[in-house]
Amino acid sequence: KAGVTQTPRYLIKTRGQQVTLSCSPISGHRSVSWYQQTPGQGLQFLFEYFSETQRNKGNFPGRFSGRQFSNSRSEMNVSTLELGDSALYLCASSPWTVSPGANVLTFGAGSRLTVL
Amino acid sequence: GENVEQHPSTLSVQEGDSAVIKCTYSDSASNYFPWYKQELGKGPQLIIDIRSNVGEKKDQRIAVTLNKTAKHFSLHITETQPEDSAVYFCAASIAQGAQKLVFGQGTRLTINP
Repeated sequence: KAGVTQTPRYLIKTRGQQVTLSCSPISGHRSVSWYQQTPGQGLQFLFEYFSETQRNKGNFPGRFSGRQFSNSRSEMNVSTLELGDSALYLCASSPWTVSPGANVLTFGAGSRLTVL
Repeated sequence: GENVEQHPSTLSVQEGDSAVIKCTYSDSASNYFPWYKQELGKGPQLIIDIRSNVGEKKDQRIAVTLNKTAKHFSLHITETQPEDSAVYFCAASIAQGAQKLVFGQGTRLTINP
């Protein structure tokens, strides 16, 4: 069973540009979450999507946005890039059923963004 | 909102010895506590989790304990091996509904041969 796939794995942008990152969840998983990982702030929740709807959002500015498609694949976009946006962006998927034992997050390897 | 504190930030143990990492959380509504291991160049990988209706859970050399009254939980690794060297993260969330995990700052574990 294929894991969570994130593309691209590495990218370099300059300040002011925008970037789109892609995530393909595990087959059958309907929930996709995004996290930002930096040495200073650690792992921070960005947002979560389920059935193409954003269900929860972290404390990030409006420059960070995302969406989910009908096949559960998700993209996140960061506009007007700043130096501080340099980070590893991690996508995680979950089957999200009502069963208490099923809502486990599986992470992808991440997309490492460097902003110059 | 929830806040998770993790200690220590670095831990070095001799191969074969035990390692313990501790976390505290602030939101008494949290009821799901996973532990993730992250190796260089990879995303976090779930190694064990515990829910609030359980006090302890064990999986081979790894165990997690939860004290809901004190709002803290711990990861125990016994008979450590070089491949246990990695960064470990604890997290807390409310299991039902949105999948928002609040992570601790991480512990870099080094196993010395």
